[in-house]
Amino acid sequence: NAGVTQTPKFQVLKTGQSMTLQCAQDMNHNSMYWYRQDPGMGLRLIYYSASEGTTDKGEVPNGYNVSRLNKREFSLRLESAAPSQTSVYFCASSDPDRFYGYTFGSGTRLTVV
Amino acid sequence: AQSVTQLDSHVSVSEGTPVLLRCNYSSSYSPSLFWYVQHPNKGLQLLLKYTSAATLVKGINGFEAEFKKSETSFHLTKPSAHMSDAAEYFCVVSDREYGNKLVFGAGTILRVKS
Repeated sequence: NAGVTQTPKFQVLKTGQSMTLQCAQDMNHNSMYWYRQDPGMGLRLIYYSASEGTTDKGEVPNGYNVSRLNKREFSLRLESAAPSQTSVYFCASSDPDRFYGYTFGSGTRLTVV
Repeated sequence: AQSVTQLDSHVSVSEGTPVLLRCNYSSSYSPSLFWYVQHPNKGLQLLLKYTSAATLVKGINGFEAEFKKSETSFHLTKPSAHMSDAAEYFCVVSDREYGNKLVFGAGTILRVKS
């Protein structure tokens, strides 16, 4: 089925460790996004990529980096994980020229201890 | 700037009674508005969307929402709640002038009592 695939689904890190969350979409969408979800706060935008080769900061970018590897893939990296980064992370994609909302991945539940 | 206010953090209804989840938005231009649903430990599913066509929007599972520009509201309703409707619901605004970035409300948790 077409959609957005995120890996891993679950991860536990120790404070200071690094990791990369992977995201791939097969809908030929130009735009991709990383959100984090915390209780009572909805989803907040970390970084986005309007098109291949471009990335921009969202609402909460500190402590994260991203790479738009190609049109399909958009990764999120935590260089030195902190407990405040414990959250559920969602990747999404959209086609701005036919904008009917986003397609979301199933999420990555990250715990930093 | 865009923003969304979901007026109730929790709503509790009995099975078979109507559901009303309230949402107000702020957007400078012509917004697109969405409702997403998230069941426990699941991803987000699009319920319905408003993109400047008919102001009354019908979605999946019997939900609908009405866009009222004068009130800057986009409330979600369903005539008769079902146990499977228990979930968290997010009202979301987007605008092409802001790069189509989605701005989420804080969410409303819907509880359905038998």
